[in-house]
Amino acid sequence: GAGVSQTPSNKVTEKGKYVELRCDPISGHTALYWYRQSLGQGPEFLIYFQGTGAADDSGLPNDRFFAVRPEGSVSTLKIQRTERGDSAVYLCASSLAGATYNEQFFGPGTRLTVL
Amino acid sequence: RKEVEQDPGPFNVPEGATVAFNCTYSNSASQSFFWYRQDCRKEPKLLMSVYSSGNEDGRFTAQLNRASQYISLLIRDSKLSDSATYLCVVTVYGNKLVFGAGTILRVKS
Repeated sequence: GAGVSQTPSNKVTEKGKYVELRCDPISGHTALYWYRQSLGQGPEFLIYFQGTGAADDSGLPNDRFFAVRPEGSVSTLKIQRTERGDSAVYLCASSLAGATYNEQFFGPGTRLTVL
Repeated sequence: RKEVEQDPGPFNVPEGATVAFNCTYSNSASQSFFWYRQDCRKEPKLLMSVYSSGNEDGRFTAQLNRASQYISLLIRDSKLSDSATYLCVVTVYGNKLVFGAGTILRVKS
């Protein structure tokens, strides 16, 4: 079946602009995660949704970052007033439920470049 | 100090070699342990979970030492297709994954 999809695959923007990154999880997966991966580093947790609600947003770096999942499926990560330091690959993952034994399946990521 | 630390490598090995990667984690409350594989410019994929009793999947063997807070991955009979970055991953509370920076493996013919 279809895996996790993310759009766009690449996004180039200018400092100060607003961006939205979209994630379509695997059908039936109730848990959805956002991670951010900088060059030469492992992915870093941002936020976790169980259904429509954000169960853990402890990884969001500041209030410029916000994510929603209004219908419990597709999620959008929103970044306001982008900064050059926001440049990274933003990865989305989904799993059947929120337990650690349920494998998280990652999407291909959105490569964000802030000029 | 990073929560999960790995030797970044790269490890350059010939085909058929045995190679071992190590990883240490700082939080003694860590609950679950994994190795993920990430190919260049691709997403991470689960390679295997790691248990205290040790576990094996074909050419891959993973070990966990909770007392030393140490995780290892052994790859036997390396193949060219094993070339990738290997990410050590733990969970502490709930299900957010905490990744190491990864170890690069290059298998050469």
